[in-house]
Amino acid sequence: GENVEQHPSTLSVQEGDSAVIKCTYSDSASNYFPWYKQELGKGPQLIIDIRSNVGEKKDQRIAVTLNKTAKHFSLHITETQPEDSAVYFCAASMGLTGTASKLTFGTGTRLQVTL
Amino acid sequence: GAVVSQHPSRVICKSGTSVKIECRSLDFQATTMFWYRQFPKQSLMLMATSNEGSKATYEQGVEKDKFLINHASLTLSTLTVTSAHPEDSSFYICSARDGGLSYEQYFGPGTRLTVT
Repeated sequence: GENVEQHPSTLSVQEGDSAVIKCTYSDSASNYFPWYKQELGKGPQLIIDIRSNVGEKKDQRIAVTLNKTAKHFSLHITETQPEDSAVYFCAASMGLTGTASKLTFGTGTRLQVTL
Repeated sequence: GAVVSQHPSRVICKSGTSVKIECRSLDFQATTMFWYRQFPKQSLMLMATSNEGSKATYEQGVEKDKFLINHASLTLSTLTVTSAHPEDSSFYICSARDGGLSYEQYFGPGTRLTVT
């Protein structure tokens, strides 16, 4: 089955700096790569996602890049703010129907934005 | 946007009892729902995938007789933890997809289960 690795496990940046989180996946059949933000005691919230037919996607301060050949994708957060502090998870899935649409999650990155 | 609710948000039960957790899609029809378990400071681990009207598909190592999943309608799935033990204490999260051409999964707020 799919295996998703995520680095780093913790990341501390100063407010205003950029943060980058990287993930690799094992199965070339994966074609959907979402990123989630999870605050303590809450469910994950989708912040951005990318399909395998796209190399980069941006939404304001957040961007995701995908390298299908190398099987890795990255989350970029610019101009970080204290409210960006949370745990971030990458994930991958292979399809639209049934069990093919299940997500395999990375191990998570705890981001702390300091003043 | 699409909203998924879970009930209860927190539950404490005694060892040996059963507890039911509900997951509802509030403004869309969920053809597929997923149940995850998350231990403290760990990632989400998929327990099972359920499609409306059919039996759930469980991940390897998840006991289907212990974690009963019912997806009887397009807006409701339930997870019943039977004969709960302290090691079942965890954060249980559901997600739902509305089918069609959207890959997106919408997550519920989670249920904190504590078994004493």
